[in-house]
Amino acid sequence: AQSVSQHNHHVILSEAASLELGCNYSYGGTVNLFWYVQYPGQHLQLLLKYFSGDPLVKGIKGFEAEFIKSKFSFNLRKPSVQWSDTAEYFCALRTTSGTYKYIFGTGTRLKVLA
Amino acid sequence: GAGVSQSPSNKVTEKGKDVELRCDPISGHTALYWYRQRLGQGLEFLIYFQGNSAPDKSGLPSDRFSAERTGESVSTLTIQRTQQEDSAVYLCASSLIDNTEAFFGQGTRLTVV
Repeated sequence: AQSVSQHNHHVILSEAASLELGCNYSYGGTVNLFWYVQYPGQHLQLLLKYFSGDPLVKGIKGFEAEFIKSKFSFNLRKPSVQWSDTAEYFCALRTTSGTYKYIFGTGTRLKVLA
Repeated sequence: GAGVSQSPSNKVTEKGKDVELRCDPISGHTALYWYRQRLGQGLEFLIYFQGNSAPDKSGLPSDRFSAERTGESVSTLTIQRTQQEDSAVYLCASSLIDNTEAFFGQGTRLTVV
């Protein structure tokens, strides 16, 4: 069965600290992978996505993620976080056969201290 | 439209009543998804539409839940005989058939009292 696992449920960092949020998935076929962010009071927004090609993808606001096929991982990184990065982050996969649904992880709440 | 629109934004209902939640996807988006987000939990898949048909209803938690889509546009999620455990934020998303990025609405916060 397809699944997405996010290991960190709550993360607290000081401004300028580096960030890495873990994401592992389980799926037997080709996947499309995503990181979505939900800022307080706002709707889910796409941060970045991986379909194929270069496994290191860059997204908005200085975020990047690396797809490591052998580890079934798609970790999110940012070298220096800002207070405005306080949000909830969701990793997701989209199946590429069948019904093309998105499967989300349980999310990571990031709090950045000013 | 400019984005995915959901209504109402908040709904408080008494246990046992029926509710209807509406989703207006982005114009031209043929794929439409419904998700449920309970407090402190991730997004739980409910149903997926391709056009007006629903090839995957596997996430609907019980026969009290149903959804339809008309005109390859508006979708309605109906919950009959609501229970307290139905309290959650219900999210709708849409995407182009060949574009795998889904765009989300603001959600409907349902509270069953």
